[in-house]
Amino acid sequence: GAVVSQHPSRVICKSGTSVKIECRSLDFQATTMFWYRQFPKQSLMLMATSNEGSKATYEQGVEKDKFLINHASLTLSTLTVTSAHPEDSSFYICSARGGGSGAFFGQGTRLTVV
Amino acid sequence: GEDVEQSLFLSVREGDSSVINCTYTDSSSTYLYWYKQEPGAGLQLLTYIFSNMDMKQDQRLTVLLNKKDKHLSLRIADTQTGDSAIYFCADFNQAGTALIFGKGTTLSVSS
Repeated sequence: GAVVSQHPSRVICKSGTSVKIECRSLDFQATTMFWYRQFPKQSLMLMATSNEGSKATYEQGVEKDKFLINHASLTLSTLTVTSAHPEDSSFYICSARGGGSGAFFGQGTRLTVV
Repeated sequence: GEDVEQSLFLSVREGDSSVINCTYTDSSSTYLYWYKQEPGAGLQLLTYIFSNMDMKQDQRLTVLLNKKDKHLSLRIADTQTGDSAIYFCADFNQAGTALIFGKGTTLSVSS
């Protein structure tokens, strides 16, 4: 099936620094990619929808200036957590929609801000 | 808005069948999905069912869809310890742009 690669899988950063997470669709072109955040023992929360070549659409309550999303090509979207704080520590997952049969997910990135 | 509900925990013995249930609110969905998440990992698409189907079988997995009641279930036959994970039911939002997930059902399989 379609493969979505997310990198890095784990990252620890200092408070105040920025972290970039990459999401690549390896064997298909994804015009739309999605970024989710998962808090411990909770479901996924959609953060934003990333469309190739245009600005991302953010869900209500998600800070655009803190979570910068770039979708420069049909196979790559990036999420940058700027000026990270401990409360940004979470599991971030990207997905890309492939055809009509579902969305394929990356492996997720465990972000820990210390 | 759209909502997807599912029970939070299920505990079964190895070899038994597991049934995970889900209800959803958006009746315009074309596909409904089941995802599996193992500890510390991303989501894996397990199976999906087209909305005009009542049942889909895929090896040990059986998906049942009751559109009238907006009820979806996932049955795992001969459950193994390796099936222990969180299972998410998912449905696309009305705009068809992103998946809406239930809170996930934690399946615990004891030997």
